[in-house]
Parts: sequence; C-alpha cells; structure tokens
Amino acid sequence: NAGVTQTPKFQVLKTGQSMTLQCAQDMNHNSMYWYRQDPGMGLRLIYYSASEGTTDKGEVPNGYNVSRLNKREFSLRLESAAPSQTSVYFCASSEDRANSPLHFGNGTRLTVT
Amino acid sequence: QKEVEQNSGPLSVPEGAIASLNCTYSDRGSQSFFWYRQYSGKSPELIMFIYSNGDKEDGRFTAQLNKASQYVSLLIRDSQPSDSATYLCAVQGAGSYQLTFGKGTKLSVIP
Repeated sequence: NAGVTQTPKFQVLKTGQSMTLQCAQDMNHNSMYWYRQDPGMGLRLIYYSASEGTTDKGEVPNGYNVSRLNKREFSLRLESAAPSQTSVYFCASSEDRANSPLHFGNGTRLTVT
Repeated sequence: QKEVEQNSGPLSVPEGAIASLNCTYSDRGSQSFFWYRQYSGKSPELIMFIYSNGDKEDGRFTAQLNKASQYVSLLIRDSQPSDSATYLCAVQGAGSYQLTFGKGTKLSVIP
C-alpha cells in the first residue's frame, strides 16, 4: 500500500523556470491538499481539492496553480518560480469526515536560485 | 484567521521523564484535534487525535482536551531518545475537513 506518493523528491530551479509537482494517492480519498513548510512558519495550506474537478485556495495560493486530474492525482504547478518559493512541499489526502487525519506524502524539497 | 499556537521550544527532557507539549487554538467551534510527529527531513506522521473533552491514552501518549479553555496537550510518558522530533498540533474547524497547523514544538530527549 503506497499511500500518498509525491515526485520529485528534490528539485532545483532557476528564477522564472516552471515545474509541476506530482501527487497521487491510492486510498480512494476525495480530499487532497498541498502544503508548504518553511522554517519557523509551520505547515501552510496552498490549495486543496474536496473532490475531482474542484479546487480551492488555501492560505498562501499566490504563484501556484493546481489541477485535480482525477480522484487519485493532484498536481501543483509553479509557472514562474521565485526564490520565495524555496520550501518543502507536502501533498496530503484525507477522507471526507470529521476526525479524519491527513495522510502525507514524503515531500518535495524545492530550491529556487 | 484561525490560529493554532505552540511553544516552539526546544523542550528538553531527560530520558524516562514525562514530556508535556501544549497547544492553544483560537476557533471556539473547532471540533477535532490532532497530534503529529515529524522527524527532521521527514513528513508528519499521525500520533493520535482527540475530539471529546478529557483524556485519551494510546500507549505512552496521552492527549488532553479542554474546549472551554481552548487548550489541547500531549503527554509522552517514559520519554525515549527516539521521541526527539518536532510535534505538530493540528485543529479541524467546525464544518470543514481542513486542518490548521501550529508551528510545532521541538522536543529533545536527553539520554
């Protein structure tokens, strides 16, 4: 049981380059999330998707776009990377019910130079 | 803006002692509360959750919730060096499945 799988694990970009972070879950969860984690800032929600075909902004959506390709996959795209987007990115999924915890992927460490 | 506050630490305790980690939250309507452990360079992993006032025990871990005081805590009994990690408190608001995270408390268990 793979759970939540994220790719790539590491990425270095130059300012202005674009990239897509991929995430897939095999737990049949409706809800999926993208968080970023920065030192001293904790986990901050970028975007989430409550179901296939729907996406909503979280706390820090600027500079990002997302696609919920199907129930399993939720991708995060940086169209024009900036140094401020250097961070560790986590994808997560959960069931649609109270008391449902988040299941996290292993994270992507992104550096923008 | 929903806020979840944790003491950033580091909190140092000797091996075998009880570690007490605290968390306060601003949204009085919050319904569920989660504790995650995160080792350096790894993803958060769920320790336990609580949604009713009082205590909930799971092995060496006890979560305590006081909704009137908007306070949730995690006690780790018989602390081990392997418990050294950052502990994240997360709160699920009313009518939402999203979690709001605190910034985490770094725990160091000294052998």
